[in-house]
Amino acid sequence: GQQVMQIPQYQHVQEGEDFTTYCNSSTTLSNIQWYKQRPGGHPVFLIQLVKSGEVKKQKRLTFQFGEAKKNSSLHITATQTTDVGTYFCAASNDYKLSFGAGTTVTVRA
Amino acid sequence: EAQVTQNPRYLITVTGKKLTVTCSQNMNHEYMSWYRQDPGLGLRQIYYSMNVEVTDKGDVPEGYKVSRKEKRNFPLILESPSPNQTSLYFCASSFDPYTEAFFGQGTRLTVV
Repeated sequence: GQQVMQIPQYQHVQEGEDFTTYCNSSTTLSNIQWYKQRPGGHPVFLIQLVKSGEVKKQKRLTFQFGEAKKNSSLHITATQTTDVGTYFCAASNDYKLSFGAGTTVTVRA
Repeated sequence: EAQVTQNPRYLITVTGKKLTVTCSQNMNHEYMSWYRQDPGLGLRQIYYSMNVEVTDKGDVPEGYKVSRKEKRNFPLILESPSPNQTSLYFCASSFDPYTEAFFGQGTRLTVV
């Protein structure tokens, strides 16, 4: 079954506001990846986190890996309409790459 | 251009009629995998392959077969499709399961 759980499943955001989506696991993860899928598109890699407590930024996106390497978060500031889509976290275990169920983001202009 | 190519993009078929979805990558990746995407369930791994002639089951392998005779190709075979296999399918490739995965455009399959 799926190794990682994502919350929330849906996120409705007012343009310009911030939001955070979370990825949680009951086991320690070796790494975590984040992907974005635009409506009608395919998943596209955003970033990979490997180290405990690691924080990486991509413009308005901030990714964090928990100290215990059991959780991760994606924080988006000043949401824009281009942020619409589904964000997935993914973790590797025994050669399998398991994805969370995703957080689908819609933006109110 | 680095890419993963899936065919067909759309397919409507009848229950029990064998079908194959092809997947090809041009990045010399060792690791390839197939996923199905269903609403609320995210991406679930069907099968994966670590290298030529090395394949293994993912989380939802029932009703599917794969083969990896060449490094670049990883076809997904449905010997006897059923309506519960109606889904959006993605092929992906990467150097290994721990690095960036590149996805194909997807195949929307409907089994009636």
